[in-house]
Formats: sequence, structure tokens, C-alpha cells
Amino acid sequence: DVKVTQSSRYLVKRTGEKVFLECVQDMDHENMFWYRQDPGLGLRLIYFSYDVKMKEKGDIPEGYSVSREKKERFSLILESASTNQTSMYLCASSLPVPYEQYFGPGTRLTVT
Amino acid sequence: DQQVKQNSPSLSVQEGRISILNCDYTNSMFDYFLWYKKYPAEGPTFLISISSIKDKNEDGRFTVFLNKSAKHLSLHIVPSQPGDSAVYFCAARGGPGANSKLTFGKGITLSVRP
Repeated sequence: DVKVTQSSRYLVKRTGEKVFLECVQDMDHENMFWYRQDPGLGLRLIYFSYDVKMKEKGDIPEGYSVSREKKERFSLILESASTNQTSMYLCASSLPVPYEQYFGPGTRLTVT
Repeated sequence: DQQVKQNSPSLSVQEGRISILNCDYTNSMFDYFLWYKKYPAEGPTFLISISSIKDKNEDGRFTVFLNKSAKHLSLHIVPSQPGDSAVYFCAARGGPGANSKLTFGKGITLSVRP
């Protein structure tokens, strides 16, 4: 069974803080993704990575950065958290083929 | 520009009846389609998929139909069960070169009434 874990289920941070969200997968997947889910907006892709030290911008990268130093770990960084970054953050991983992505349980981030 | 559209935000169905969840897309380069199911406070889980070279794929109570000419797919759940109550996301892969990057719709909330 593929397992994707995220460092926190719930997180509360203050405006302006630097926030790190960690994601680890145990199935040797090349591809990893970060999404945010907001009511009425579905899943929106923030960043993705097809290999170690490689990253590509998704649809909404502004205000975020990522790091992938090891194959199994993909980190999302909020350089200076803002209230509009309050959201559910979901990490996923996959092989290049087949295309199914496997998701972690999510981190509910609240920025006050 | 929304390339994957789930125009109905919610659907309510009686237990035992059929649930039909619809999805439309605009990008003709999409070559693979997936459905995910999501419970509150959990990550989405993969349900079923279909390649663009097929028009139907079935897995137990779940069947996905693809109509390429209409750029439309649907997920049928028969019979519907209360445990099927969740948010369902339609997703599409962007064609050759897209690797496993997916575009998701906004989701449909399915409620199955006992």
C-alpha cells in the first residue's frame, strides 16, 4: 500500500511567519505534488516535482516555494504566511505511469 | 480558464438507486481521466479511471463512461450506499508530455439518503 504522510494534520500560524509543510512517501515515486483545497474551488496545483532537486510551478505558485532534496520528501514553504493562505494543503505522489496520484491526509493550515 | 468542469455542486440520491456524476472538459489533448472520492478531513482516494481510447470502464459498483465527441464523462454508482456520501472530483491528464500532472474539477458533493 502506498503511504503518503504529512507532518501535521492541523497547524495555526501567525501572519508573517515562515511555515514549512512536510510530505513523505514510501513507495519510491518519482513524482510529487502540492495542492490546496478551498470550498468551491476544488484542488488547485501549487508546485510539483518529477525528480530530486527539480521543481515546476503549478497553477497558483505565488507566495509559495518548495524543496525536494530527497526522492521521498517534498516540502512546501510559505515564506511569509498571509491570511489568504488559510486552506487545506494536500500532498500527492505518483509514478510517471500509471497516472494515479496518491494523496496524504492533508494539513489544515490556519493563518491568523 | 476552467478546463475540467463539474457544473453541479451537489447531488442527493436515495439509497439503492443510481448516482450519476457528470464532468465536462474543454481540452482535447486530455488523454486519461480519473475519479477521486474525498471524505471530510481526509485526502482524496483514487476510485476509477479511463483512457481516452475507451468509452467505458467498470469496477464493481462504479462505471465511468467517456464521450469524447461531447468532451463529457460520467461516473455511475449502482446501487448507491450511504457510505458513498462524499465529495467526488473528476481529473484529467494533459496528454503526451504531461507526465502524471492532473487537472481537477471543483468537485460534486454526493449525499446518499438511507
